[in-house]
Amino acid sequence: EADIYQTPRYLVIGTGKKITLECSQTMGHDKMYWYQQDPGMELHLIHYSYGVNSTEKGDLSSESTVSRIRTEHFPLTLESARPSHTSQYLCASSDLRDSPLHFGNGTRLTVT
Amino acid sequence: GIQVEQSPPDLILQEGANSTLRCNFSDSVNNLQWFHQNPWGQLINLFYIPSGTKQNGRLSATTVATERYSLLYISSSQTTDSGVYFCAVGRTGRRALTFGSGTRLQVQP
Repeated sequence: EADIYQTPRYLVIGTGKKITLECSQTMGHDKMYWYQQDPGMELHLIHYSYGVNSTEKGDLSSESTVSRIRTEHFPLTLESARPSHTSQYLCASSDLRDSPLHFGNGTRLTVT
Repeated sequence: GIQVEQSPPDLILQEGANSTLRCNFSDSVNNLQWFHQNPWGQLINLFYIPSGTKQNGRLSATTVATERYSLLYISSSQTTDSGVYFCAVGRTGRRALTFGSGTRLQVQP
């Protein structure tokens, strides 16, 4: 079983607030990813990392930022949330050999 | 980048029916995975199948990498099979997988 955890599961916040979505994995995976997904729609890659201190932006432009200070931890931060950020955010991880990709349960963010 | 097309986009089945979902991709890959997203939004990895055939219970998958397609077979479908099925492809190295737009499956009792 994959061990990748996201918190919070649901978050409702007001416009302008700063938020951090947490993602941790206990598998020692080098690669970690953040995807954004509207319900039932395709996944859009917004950030990825292939190791400590390496991060890259994905295909979908995002106002969020990420950090990778520890292998197991890959938090995503929004400095000033807006209603357009309302979506589901999914974290995933895999090793460098492209083992199966494992997803967390996601964070459903609503910005009012 | 690699283009991924899934078909059909939507599928409605009666319980007990069989189905085949298709994933076409535009370039050579050495990584292909199938996922199921349940109605609660959770994504489960079904198969890691860059080539060949694998089976897991009522599900099986076949990838023909040289012809750039993969098929996911669902036999004797159940209502719990409902959800969205995604195909994702890529190449080994420091690149992320590219996801298709999914096949939305509804299995009716």
